Amino acid sequence: AQSVTQLGSHVSVSEGALVLLRCNYSSSVPPYLFWYVQYPNQGLQLLLKYTTGATLVKGINGFEAEFKKSETSFHLTKPSAHMSDAAEYFCAVRGSGTYKYIFGTGTRLKVLA
Amino acid sequence: GAGVSQSPSNKVTEKGKDVELRCDPISGHTALYWYRQRLGQGLEFLIYFQGNSAPDKSGLPSDRFSAERTGESVSTLTIQRTQQEDSAVYLCASSRLSGANTGELFFGEGSRLTVL
Repeated sequence: AQSVTQLGSHVSVSEGALVLLRCNYSSSVPPYLFWYVQYPNQGLQLLLKYTTGATLVKGINGFEAEFKKSETSFHLTKPSAHMSDAAEYFCAVRGSGTYKYIFGTGTRLKVLA
Repeated sequence: GAGVSQSPSNKVTEKGKDVELRCDPISGHTALYWYRQRLGQGLEFLIYFQGNSAPDKSGLPSDRFSAERTGESVSTLTIQRTQQEDSAVYLCASSRLSGANTGELFFGEGSRLTVL
């Protein structure tokens, strides 16, 4: 069975500081991995995804994530936080051969001035 | 339309009443998903439809919940005899399972259900 664990339901960083949001997954088959962002009172939108190929994936708004199979991780990073990055971030997994997406419980990012 | 459309955007109902939530996916998207998001919590998978295959209903929390989809068009999620714990935002998403943007879920803005 697939599952996703996001460590830290709330993360605070100073503006300009590194953003690191953690995601670990379990999947019995090679996974497809995703990060979605939800801004206040809005729907979810895709930040980036890993399906096959290069393990370092770049997304929108300067975010990137690296698929590390040995660590079963797909952590999301951004070198320098901006106030507009304040939102809730969700990691999701989908096993190949299935169309079912399982989401983590989310991490709320707060950016301090 | 250009995006996933959900209605109603807000629904307040009394405990014990039935409610129906509607999702209109992006045209051409063969897969459609329903998720539940309780206040301050993550997305809980409910059900997905993929083309003409039998839906995966493994996430429906009880037999009070059901969903239908006709072909690759509109889906309705029905909750019978609503309970207060059903209060949540119900999110619909659709996806193209081949071609461009394969694997990306496109979400609607959700239907917020409040059961009094």
